[in-house]
Amino acid sequence: DTAVSQTPKYLVTQMGNDKSIKCEQNLGHDTMYWYKQDSKKFLKIMFSYNNKELIINETVPNRFSPKSPDKAHLNLHINSLELGDSAVYFCASSQDLLGVPGYTFGSGTRLTVV
Amino acid sequence: ILNVEQSPQSLHVQEGDSTNFTCSFPSSNFYALHWYRWETAKSPEALFVMTLNGDEKKKGRISATLNTKEGYSYLYIKGSQPEDSATYLCAFLTTGGKLIFGQGTELSVKP
Repeated sequence: DTAVSQTPKYLVTQMGNDKSIKCEQNLGHDTMYWYKQDSKKFLKIMFSYNNKELIINETVPNRFSPKSPDKAHLNLHINSLELGDSAVYFCASSQDLLGVPGYTFGSGTRLTVV
Repeated sequence: ILNVEQSPQSLHVQEGDSTNFTCSFPSSNFYALHWYRWETAKSPEALFVMTLNGDEKKKGRISATLNTKEGYSYLYIKGSQPEDSATYLCAFLTTGGKLIFGQGTELSVKP
């Protein structure tokens, strides 16, 4: 069983479309995150949720909306996709907000907007 | 702005060489320092999480140290092997729960 699973792995879509990326963790962790890997390969925090409650909301366009129906799931919905949204998006989870003993990452979703 | 700087950006060594990388981070708002190993086409895997000044952690041939007063951490690999080839990421966890990553050190170990 994959600990943190993201779907889809690849997503190619046209500008202006709305799309969702799903993330599920089976580790019993309380905290989940979305990270974006930018063009320089930096991992940048977008959102974090703890027990379904939004904790961190970085300077992200409001076209991006996370949704956490329960603490095992954190989905990312993106409206009106733009070319600049093309990137790899990583979901992660940790036991709690303290992040010990480290984050567990999903395998990433490569989003390409054409 | 909270920045995490890693050096060098890339490193090429021969099998058997020992090597080390540096991570610099802010000394304020510090909660923990993470190290991750990221192999190509895989996801980052946690190596160490350190919270206390002077912490030292070891896993096999890999070890790490932490100096929170001066804001740096070192990662050491003893006797590098080709399977150690990966990008090593350092990340600074703030007291607000934000994990900020450095750009990574890309290690290539030649047989």
